[in-house]
This record gives sequence, structure tokens and C-alpha cells, in this order.
Amino acid sequence: DAKTTQPPSMDCAEGRAANLPCNHSTISGNEYVYWYRQIHSQGPQYIIHGLKNNETNEMASLIITEDRKSSTLILPHATLRDTAVYYCIVRVESGGSNYKLTFGKGTLLTVNP
Amino acid sequence: GAVVSQHPSRVICKSGTSVKIECRSLDFQATTMFWYRQFPKQSLMLMATSNEGSKATYEQGVEKDKFLINHASLTLSTLTVTSAHPEDSSFYICSARGGQNYGYTFGSGTRLTVV
Repeated sequence: DAKTTQPPSMDCAEGRAANLPCNHSTISGNEYVYWYRQIHSQGPQYIIHGLKNNETNEMASLIITEDRKSSTLILPHATLRDTAVYYCIVRVESGGSNYKLTFGKGTLLTVNP
Repeated sequence: GAVVSQHPSRVICKSGTSVKIECRSLDFQATTMFWYRQFPKQSLMLMATSNEGSKATYEQGVEKDKFLINHASLTLSTLTVTSAHPEDSSFYICSARGGQNYGYTFGSGTRLTVV
């Protein structure tokens, strides 16, 4: 019951910015958007998360539209090591103050030399 | 900070035997831990959520008697695959909530092969 839609794959040239879109049109007002990435046969790596304001950290920027129905993850200067599957996740409450991350299919980003 | 250690990284077992996978939060207390399973070329599928000292909550379609989860302390959760069969072969990944403000740290995964 993933609440997000992402393109299955994208390509990006090394050194250029990678912009990964995500649609989450059914997001509720208090649900956060998380981004993780997974390099083959490894556990997912946290990138960034946000609620409604744009966020930036040392890895990436997260741009969330005003209506919160979509967001874009920006890797400002992609390197070959950024090749991975990127997951956009809406954190949902699972009861008893528990929140869970349900993964969708993600976007395979391939950074080309 | 916020490191989750998962052990073993790989395990091969015979059909019908049980396998235990450990998930430890090394530098924070994990109030909640999650177990996922990932088949080749597929996404992670959440199996269950466990809170320290209470029974795990399993996702629909996951057999609780086959996948035993114990979360006896704030730093350790275990997943035991009982009576494993070849179709249980998969990549199992744990996640722990706690520590830094983003809250969800994943282990490096366990590749289980049942022969």
C-alpha cells in the first residue's frame, strides 16, 4: 500500500544535477516524506526527509510542492557512486503511535560517465 | 551515530532447519524495530513491526508462527525463520527507529539461502 509513484528509471550525466520526482497525491497533512536509496545488495541508506518545507543536507535537497502532492529529490552533483535505487516513501501511522515506512518500487538512477 | 548491525550477513541452511538473524542498534536505543524481506529485483516488503517488550505486529500475509520475532531489549531484535524452505530464500533487512531525528536506520541485510 505504498502511497508514492516514481518513474522506474532515470539517467544522469556525472557532475550534473539529478532530479528525481515523486508523486504522493494522497498524502495526509501530518505524513512525512522520506527518501532512501539502496545500492545493490545493501541496506537502504537514509538521504533526507521533510514535511512541508524544503530541506537540504550534505547529501541532497528535497523540494516539496505547496500542496504536498509531489516532491523532488535533488542530488546537486551526481557521481558514479550515486547509481542506486531511490525510494520516495510516505511515512504512515500503523497504530499505537507506531509509524512505518512502506517501500514502493523506486527509481533506478544510473549516473553515466 | 545511529548504526544498526545485522548478523549474519549471509547464511546457508538446509531445508527444514531454523535460522536466527540478529539486529542490533549499536549507539542508540531502538524503541521500534522493523523487519523487511526483499526478493531479487523487487522492493522491500515490510514483514513486521516490533516494540521492545511486546509482541510483534505482522503485516497481512506474513505467517507469525514461521517468522518469530523477539525484541527483548532496546538494542536487540531477532528474527527466526522456522522450518525454512527454499521459497524462504531472500534478503532480510532490519530497521530500527530511534537515535537521530530522522529515526529509521537500516541494517546491511542478511542473505538467506535455503537448500
